[in-house]
Amino acid sequence: DSGVTQTPKHLITATGQRVTLRCSPRSGDLSVYWYQQSLDQGLQFLIQYYNGEERAKGNILERFSAQQFPDLHSELNLSSLELGDSALYFCASSVGLAGEGEQYFGPGTRLTVT
Amino acid sequence: AQKVTQAQTEISVVEKEDVTLDCVYETRDTTYYLFWYKQPPSGELVFLIRRNSFDEQNEISGRYSWNFQKSTSSFNFTITASQVVDSAVYFCALMSPGAGGTSYGKLTFGQGTILTVHP
Repeated sequence: DSGVTQTPKHLITATGQRVTLRCSPRSGDLSVYWYQQSLDQGLQFLIQYYNGEERAKGNILERFSAQQFPDLHSELNLSSLELGDSALYFCASSVGLAGEGEQYFGPGTRLTVT
Repeated sequence: AQKVTQAQTEISVVEKEDVTLDCVYETRDTTYYLFWYKQPPSGELVFLIRRNSFDEQNEISGRYSWNFQKSTSSFNFTITASQVVDSAVYFCALMSPGAGGTSYGKLTFGQGTILTVHP
C-alpha cells in the first residue's frame, strides 16, 4: 500500500458526460501528479500540483482540468468525454517539488466511456 | 525532449533464470533522475528504484540489481533467479527539468516490458 488513495476505483459513463476523479496524497506529501495509462498512448503525464499551485503540465486535453485543495487532496475533472478517454488514471504524490523524492502511485481509477 | 525506450516488448523466462530488462533514455539535461516501476497484474504501480544522474554506482537489492551507464544512456534492470511473482510489466522512467525547469516533476515513461516467468 503506497499510502495514496484514489476514488472511485471504477467508473463507467457515457460519451459527453463529465466525471471527477479524486486523489488523497500520502501524509506529508505536497506534490500531486496525474497520469493517464491507455493501450495506445502508454503512461502519460498530465499535470502536477505542488501545495495548491499548478507546477507542470503535460499532454492534458483542454477538456480536462485539475486542482489541489488546501487539504492537499486533488481532483481531476474530465468533461465532454469521448470513447478515447477510456483509460486508467493514476494519481501519484511526492514530498518535494521535483526530483527530491520518488513518486508513489495510487491504485488508479479505471474509466470506461461507452 | 526527453525520451525513454524499452526495446523489449515482452520477455518470457522459466523460473530461476536471470533476466535483464533494457532501458535507454534521451535528455539534454545534465541533472536528471531515473526510475524503475513494476506494474503487477493487479494494476498498481510499485516504485522500485530512483537514481540521480551523478550517481553511477550500480545498486543491488536482494535479487534485483541496476546498472546505470551514462556513457551509453542506459539504466538496465536485472532480476536474478526469477520467480513467478516477478511476472509483471516493468517501466523505466526519466525525470529531467527541461528548458527553464518546466518539466521537473514530470515522469516520462518507456512503453514497458511485459515479463512472464513460467514455473
